[in-house]
Amino acid sequence: DAGVIQSPRHEVTEMGQEVTLRCKLISGHNSLFWYRQTMMRGLELLIYFNNNVPIDDSGMPEDRFSAKMPNASFSTLKIQPSEPRDSAVYFCASSLGDHNQPQHFGDGTRLSIL
Amino acid sequence: DQQVKQNSPSLSVQEGRISILNCDYTNSMFDYFLWYKKYPAEGPTFLISISSIKDKNEDGRFTVFLNKSAKHLSLHIVPSQPGDSAVYFCAARYYGQNFVFGPGTRLSVLP
Repeated sequence: DAGVIQSPRHEVTEMGQEVTLRCKLISGHNSLFWYRQTMMRGLELLIYFNNNVPIDDSGMPEDRFSAKMPNASFSTLKIQPSEPRDSAVYFCASSLGDHNQPQHFGDGTRLSIL
Repeated sequence: DQQVKQNSPSLSVQEGRISILNCDYTNSMFDYFLWYKKYPAEGPTFLISISSIKDKNEDGRFTVFLNKSAKHLSLHIVPSQPGDSAVYFCAARYYGQNFVFGPGTRLSVLP
């Protein structure tokens, strides 16, 4: 029974480069959440999809950030161009239903922008 | 402007004793609350929830208490075990909105 799978687990890259984070939802789940965790701001919601449609992207920090769900089981979060202040742990979570249900988190991608 | 606060960044408790983790919130419209546990290098894991129509919910060693008038909830772990050492996040939402997470409290259970 696979959980939410994120890749890569770690990413180190130079500023200005494009970064793509990937997430595979739990089979059957229809809500997808991208979070960013930093020491200063804790766990912040970036964007929320329901049935492949972006519902709330108010947490996306800038136009450099974009997220897609090309199908019901997969999502990407892209940062282009990346900056050192984007360094954080990025979590993907999925749930069955909508806001009511507890979310199942992946193990995160630790991103370091040099 | 944090809507969900966990004012203790860390807590140490002796094995076998009770751990009490606290969470305060500012939005009186919040009606559903969750606790998550997070180990290093892993994602948060759902632990227990409580709806605003209740003031207590129990699951084994874990009990969550909700005081709506004080806008306060707490997680009690009894007896505490070394495997409970983790960061605990409180999260809250009102219907139709996404969960807002607190900054977390690091619990250390000492053998």
